[in-house]
Amino acid sequence: KQEVTQIPAALSVPEGENLVLNCSFTDSAIYNLQWFRQDPGKGLTSLLLIQSSQREQTSGRLNASLDKSSGRSTLYIAASQPGDSATYLCAVKNSWGKLQFGAGTQVVVTP
Amino acid sequence: EPEVTQTPSHQVTQMGQEVILRCVPISNHLYFYWYRQILGQKVEFLVSFYNNEISEKSEIFDDQFSVERPDGSNFTLKIRSTKLEDSAMYFCASSTGTYNEQFFGPGTRLTVL
Repeated sequence: KQEVTQIPAALSVPEGENLVLNCSFTDSAIYNLQWFRQDPGKGLTSLLLIQSSQREQTSGRLNASLDKSSGRSTLYIAASQPGDSATYLCAVKNSWGKLQFGAGTQVVVTP
Repeated sequence: EPEVTQTPSHQVTQMGQEVILRCVPISNHLYFYWYRQILGQKVEFLVSFYNNEISEKSEIFDDQFSVERPDGSNFTLKIRSTKLEDSAMYFCASSTGTYNEQFFGPGTRLTVL
């Protein structure tokens, strides 16, 4: 059974510092992995999708890496800003339909 | 930019009542999903829907739940007889393909009293 874990559960950094968010999964037979941002009481905003055949995906200040064999993905956010404060979720797809989510990392970027 | 929309944003109901949550997926998407998030817990998959039928469902999605695409634009989740433990945020999502990016709506907060 797939388990998705995100460590740490919470993170506070000063503005300008790079953010490193970790996601691990127990079953490496995944189709893809998606990173989301969730603001309090709001929906999920898709940040990046990385397919199982890819090692890396970039969008602006965001870069996600995937090491399928070791069951890990890392989301890097360069030069963090207060507007990056949110909860970041990773989710893996290892069956036809569903995404399976981690519990998230709550990020606070202080000015 | 196209987005998934959901109505209502907040629904309050009495235990045992039926509720219908509505979603309008992105117009060229073919795959539709419902997820829920109980306060303080992980987002959980409920059901996926393609070609007018359920393609996958979780153990949460029991006989009390049903989904429908009543026309070319709406996708609905019905809970027949709500329980207190159904209180959660319900998210609709859609994608162009089963292995493609899923886009989520803003959610409907369901409160069962």
